[in-house]
Amino acid sequence: EPEVTQTPSHQVTQMGQEVILRCVPISNHLYFYWYRQILGQKVEFLVSFYNNEISEKSEIFDDQFSVERPDGSNFTLKIRSTKLEDSAMYFCASRGLAGVHTQYFGPGTRLTVL
Amino acid sequence: AQSVTQPDIHITVSEGASLELRCNYSYGATPYLFWYVQSPGQGLQLLLKYFSGDTLVQGIKGFEAEFKRSQSSFNLRKPSVHWSDAAEYFCAVGGMEYGNKLVFGAGTILRVKS
Repeated sequence: EPEVTQTPSHQVTQMGQEVILRCVPISNHLYFYWYRQILGQKVEFLVSFYNNEISEKSEIFDDQFSVERPDGSNFTLKIRSTKLEDSAMYFCASRGLAGVHTQYFGPGTRLTVL
Repeated sequence: AQSVTQPDIHITVSEGASLELRCNYSYGATPYLFWYVQSPGQGLQLLLKYFSGDTLVQGIKGFEAEFKRSQSSFNLRKPSVHWSDAAEYFCAVGGMEYGNKLVFGAGTILRVKS
């Protein structure tokens, strides 16, 4: 069964450094999402992406964050200058055509900012 | 704005006993409702979903959930719990009116005692 994959599974970085989290959505999916889960807290929506542009973003998704679909398969989340409070599990999700509403999640990347 | 409440942070049941996890939602239109399960260190696995039609939906691993519009609830049930069901369970709501992003509840941690 096709699945969403994410790399790396765990990333450790120093505060102020840039990180790029990578996701490979399910191949025929058109809608892509990033969510994050700070330890012990809810899963929170960050951003949705369709047709090569952001369709919606939350207030968490400030200028430090950006997303890109650099090729036909990858979907990336970049954090320009990481802060301690960016430490969280980041989940990528994808869904298929309009009218198909189920989002499938990847295994997550645990980001630790020191 | 949509929101999800999972009133039970922790639930402990004996193996073989029945289980019900509660979920209440607030949503301004027809909701799409989901239950996801997260095992320690793992991603979010879809258990089941409700979009329309029959209000009792069946999912994987023997789980089912019932949509009750009058109570704004979507409780998850299983008739006989197995030790492998120990995990954290998240209820989520989404819909076209809100760009299909998912809003998650805080989660319920299920412990299974033998």
